[in-house]
Amino acid sequence: DTAVSQTPKYLVTQMGNDKSIKCEQNLGHDTMYWYKQDSKKFLKIMFSYNNKELIINETVPNRFSPKSPDKAHLNLHINSLELGDSAVYFCASSPAGTGNTEAFFGQGTRLTVV
Amino acid sequence: QQQVKQSPQSLIVQKGGISIINCAYENTAFDYFPWYQQFPGKGPALLIAIRPDVSEKKEGRFTISFNKSAKQFSLHIMDSQPGDSATYFCAASVGGSNYKLTFGKGTLLTVNP
Repeated sequence: DTAVSQTPKYLVTQMGNDKSIKCEQNLGHDTMYWYKQDSKKFLKIMFSYNNKELIINETVPNRFSPKSPDKAHLNLHINSLELGDSAVYFCASSPAGTGNTEAFFGQGTRLTVV
Repeated sequence: QQQVKQSPQSLIVQKGGISIINCAYENTAFDYFPWYQQFPGKGPALLIAIRPDVSEKKEGRFTISFNKSAKQFSLHIMDSQPGDSATYFCAASVGGSNYKLTFGKGTLLTVNP
């Protein structure tokens, strides 16, 4: 059983399109995250949700809109895709804030904007 | 502003050798310091973590050394194996209700057989 699963694993799309990435966790965690890993492998937090409530929005452009329909799901919708959005997007979850608990990451979604 | 600085960027070690990766942080409010390991095509996975009330934590071949006064911490991999070849990230966060990990830029470790 995959603890944190993301779909799709690969996404190739043209500039200007709108796309969504879905994430589900079966760990019973309260907190979910989206991280972006750029071409140099730098990992940066985008959003944190706790019990479906947005906790952190790390100065991400408005074109990115996360949605958490319930505690087990956190989806990411991206409007008007730009070349610079090409990256690997990781969903993660943890039992509480990552202050002292392990964050479990999904396998990532490699987004390529052409 | 990079709050967690990691070095080296890449590291090549012979099998059986010791791999050492260093991190330094600026934010004195950080109180949780995990290391994550990432293999190609996979998400990062927690390797080992430390809180600043201890100076060292060991789990098998992996040891974190922590120097609170210097605001530095490091990962030591003893008896490095080819299977340890991966990218290693140090990270830091503020405990309690904080909800984000601040990562270093990563170290690509290659262990030659």
